[in-house]
Amino acid sequence: DQQVKQNSPSLSVQEGRISILNCDYTNSMFDYFLWYKKYPAEGPTFLISISSIKDKNEDGRFTVFLNKSAKHLSLHIVPSQPGDSAVYFCAATLSGSARQLTFGSGTQLTVLP
Amino acid sequence: EADIYQTPRYLVIGTGKKITLECSQTMGHDKMYWYQQDPGMELHLIHYSYGVNSTEKGDLSSESTVSRIRTEHFPLTLESARPSHTSQYLCASSETSGSAQYFGPGTRLTVL
Repeated sequence: DQQVKQNSPSLSVQEGRISILNCDYTNSMFDYFLWYKKYPAEGPTFLISISSIKDKNEDGRFTVFLNKSAKHLSLHIVPSQPGDSAVYFCAATLSGSARQLTFGSGTQLTVLP
Repeated sequence: EADIYQTPRYLVIGTGKKITLECSQTMGHDKMYWYQQDPGMELHLIHYSYGVNSTEKGDLSSESTVSRIRTEHFPLTLESARPSHTSQYLCASSETSGSAQYFGPGTRLTVL
């Protein structure tokens, strides 16, 4: 049973417009959420995170929104740039010392020039 | 910037060979992790470590083994590689009190 789901395997956006990547989770115990970006043949790069006590966190062009009642989070990238083209993974973690991450299956973002 | 290294980056090997995938980090992180990822799929945790001499199996069953003799080093070993082991293997580390994990570049393993 997949606890973190990214239902859109791909997304294409025009350069300069907003990219919105979505993620749903089923485990209400998750208390910390992260977004990673991954280029081919490289490891994932940490982008931005949000704690369950917040509903928004912003860092430059990247903003993550958390809707706990809907068990949904989204990553907004604005303005989108061609260099943002990559696979984006959302991840979630449970309280506790282990802090293991559960990943979604990823969304391939393509930003068209 | 994260300093975590994996070698080799690519490995093609025959069935039955013993292999060790290396992972080192220079950040002094206590926690280290190994993930396995197939193309288009999510990352699956196969091993993790809280610190020296501590190793645990992850969510995904794996025939590989790990060791943590030094804080900075977390190698993964397959005693007898099989084609079903073909995958990308990603190593990560994090601070004890933090949640963000920092990943190495990965090793893409192909077993013929």
